[in-house]
Order: sequence, then C-alpha cells, then structure tokens
Amino acid sequence: GAGVSQSPSNKVTEKGKDVELRCDPISGHTALYWYRQSLGQGLEFLIYFQGNSAPDKSGLPSDRFSAERTGGSVSTLTIQRTQQEDSAVYLCASSRMTSSYNEQFFGPGTRLTVL
Amino acid sequence: AQKITQTQPGMFVQEKEAVTLDCTYDTSDQSYGLFWYKQPSSGEMIFLIYQGSYDEQNATEGRYSLNFQKARKSANLVISASQLGDSAMYFCAMRGLDDKIIFGKGTRLHILP
Repeated sequence: GAGVSQSPSNKVTEKGKDVELRCDPISGHTALYWYRQSLGQGLEFLIYFQGNSAPDKSGLPSDRFSAERTGGSVSTLTIQRTQQEDSAVYLCASSRMTSSYNEQFFGPGTRLTVL
Repeated sequence: AQKITQTQPGMFVQEKEAVTLDCTYDTSDQSYGLFWYKQPSSGEMIFLIYQGSYDEQNATEGRYSLNFQKARKSANLVISASQLGDSAMYFCAMRGLDDKIIFGKGTRLHILP
C-alpha cells in the first residue's frame, strides 16, 4: 500500500516480556517518528530518525525503550521487560525531508496491552 | 526547548457555529512550521492545515483556517460552520529546524445538534 503501515495492530503481552513494534514508512520518506498515546491523551514524542540516525532520543521514557532504523526504511521500536504503564497506542509517522512544508503521514498504530 | 500548549481540554459548540481552538507555542528557532491534526474516535490522525513561520498570509483549507499571530506565538485553528462530523480530538503540532515534531495535549471538540 501507499501509506504508513505498522505491525502488529494489537499486541497483548505479560509484564516482563519484551515486545517489538514495526513501522514501514512511505517509500522515499526519510524522516520517521515514533509517538506514544495513552488513552484519551495527547501524543508523547519518543524518538525520530533522519535516515538511519536518531538525532533526538530524549523522549524515550527509560532505557527499556530502544529503536532502530535500517536501510532508511523500516523501523523497530523495542520495549524490554514491559511494565503495565507501557500500555498505550504506539504511533509511527513518516515525512519527506524538506526545508519547509513537512506534513507527517501517520500509521494506524499498534495498541499494546501489558497484563 | 520547543513547547506546544493547548489550554482547552474540551469544548462544546452548537452545530453551524464557528469554533476557535487555541494553540500557543514556544521555540527559539527562527524558522518553524505549525500543523493541526484531527483525530476522530477511530484513532486515525488526519492532517488539516499547515502554517510556515515565514508565511505572511494565514493558511486556509476549506472550512479550516489558521489564525497565525507570530508575535504572540499563537496558531489558533478556526473551523467555520461546524458540522457534527467535526466532533473529534484536535492536536496542534510544531516542527522545528531540526525536523523534530512535537504535539500539544489536544482539545476534544463536541459538536451539538
């Protein structure tokens, strides 16, 4: 498809397990963003990539969270030793890199539930 | 550091009335972009409108317009002739020179029939 895709769409896991969330950006989009949205809340910035590098990792909540991007395309967000407070919808977005207009296109999100 | 503030957690507006959703921002960048997104109950994020910091004209897209007041660092969204389908969460966002994009906490808009 032409849009941003994320997998899985839903993930239920037990506390203490590791999870991997995947994002496939729109082809040719060099910027990729990860956000977390708790129920009824705003979007919390986690990390973003320019190509394969992450200039700003300041939004990652703890060292249990990590992300990587390879080949300037697919990105994986990994949460180790999940906690119940990690339950949220994780949204990925991509955009073209320009000096001005830079609309983000969002994926449908991954709903993570930690039991 | 960049910051986006949306001070209205929720709003109720009568159908067909105009509504203004507030957004103020803080940045030290000279060049930046401002966005508004709509998130209906389905959860998808829908891009509405964009304003560049050097744009002299306020952005408009159909019933949406952005009231950009640079000196006050505000970028309010105006929806004219509101419709029931406008009921949703609305997020203001800002992109800085480093291309990082941050969002406000959102305003939940309820359109009353």
